[in-house]
Order: sequence, then C-alpha cells, then structure tokens
Amino acid sequence: EDKVVQSPLSLVVHEGDTVTLNCSYEVTNFRSLLWYKQEKKAPTFLFMLTSSGIEKKSGRLSSILDKKELFSILNITATQTGDSAIYLCAVLHQAGTALIFGKGTTLSVSS
Amino acid sequence: NAGVMQNPRHLVRRRGQEARLRCSPMKGHSHVYWYRQLPEEGLKFMVYLQKENIIDESGMPKERFSAEFPKEGPSILRIQQVVRGDSAAYFCASSPSGGNNSPLHFGNGTRLTVT
Repeated sequence: EDKVVQSPLSLVVHEGDTVTLNCSYEVTNFRSLLWYKQEKKAPTFLFMLTSSGIEKKSGRLSSILDKKELFSILNITATQTGDSAIYLCAVLHQAGTALIFGKGTTLSVSS
Repeated sequence: NAGVMQNPRHLVRRRGQEARLRCSPMKGHSHVYWYRQLPEEGLKFMVYLQKENIIDESGMPKERFSAEFPKEGPSILRIQQVVRGDSAAYFCASSPSGGNNSPLHFGNGTRLTVT
C-alpha cells in the first residue's frame, strides 16, 4: 500500500532556531513530492520536487528530494512565530490523479 | 484572482440529514479534487472530477457519498443520511491541468459537524 510518513509528528522550537522536517514515502510509480503549509485553514503550496538532489529555495525555506532513498526534507532557518503551522508532505503518482498525504508535522515556534 | 471558494465554512447537520458542500475552483481551473481531513489525520483523497466527468472516485465511500461537477456552477459533494463519523473538514482543490505539472490549490474547507 502506498504511504507517506512524516517525522517528527510535532516539534517545539524557539524563534531563531533552524528546523528540519522529514518525509519518507513508499509509492508505486512516483512522479513528484509536494510540501504544503497549513495554518487554520487552506493548505498553501510551498514546493514541488520531481528531481533528486536539486534544492528548491524560497526565502528561509528550502527543500530537497532523494529519490534513491525515498525521502525529502524541508528546512526552515531562523524560524519566526509565523512559521507555526502544520507542514504537510504529499506524493503524486505517475497516473497523477491523487495526492497521497502524510499526517503532517505540527511546528510550534515560541518567542 | 479569487482562490478556490468553498461554502459553507461550517455546516451542522443532525444524524440522518443530507449535507451539501460546494466548491468553485480558481478561474481557469477545470480539475477539481475533494479531500477529507479527520482530527490527527492527514488529508485523504476522495474524488477527482473534471467538468461533467468523474475521473477517479477510488477514495469515496461506496454508499451515501456522491460528487458532481456540472458544466455550469460549482462542484458539489453530497453526503446523504449523515452519521457522526462523517464529521470532518472537507477540502476542495483545483488545478488547471490535472495536477501533473502544477500543484493543487486548496480552498479553506468546510467543517462538517454531525450531531
């Protein structure tokens, strides 16, 4: 059965810390991996990764995919309280009809 | 450019009633997906639709649940004879091209509570 596993499930850090969120997957016919940030409402898109070893960056956030070891990491440097959210990892099949989501990592950043 | 619009934001139904959840995709998007999120769980795929067609309903319960995306108007997720276990947040997402090359954009969700 296809699955996406995120770790840790929750994390509490202080402002300014750097965090690394993990996502491993077992999916037949992998196509791409996506990261979303979910605050109180809609998940908002962060990154889409399709190729191994190419880092994607957006401000203090970055992500990379390892297709050989079947995982991705999401890094957040110099965390701020506004980074507090649930971070969701999802994988797309080659067929491309449905994203398979992990349960998410709940990040809490304290000031 | 308005995002994905879902309504209502909150819906309360008694057991046995029907729930209708609406989703208007982003302008220019003709692919709609419905996901359900239970407490402490990730988003679970339910159904994928294009205009007037159900493409993949492998995540839909076989009974009481149905979805449509008519030629005109929003996509509708319909739950008949609701039970307490249907209480969840239901998210709609849309994409212009089936999600293969572009990420899904999510609405704010409808929180269904069955009493």
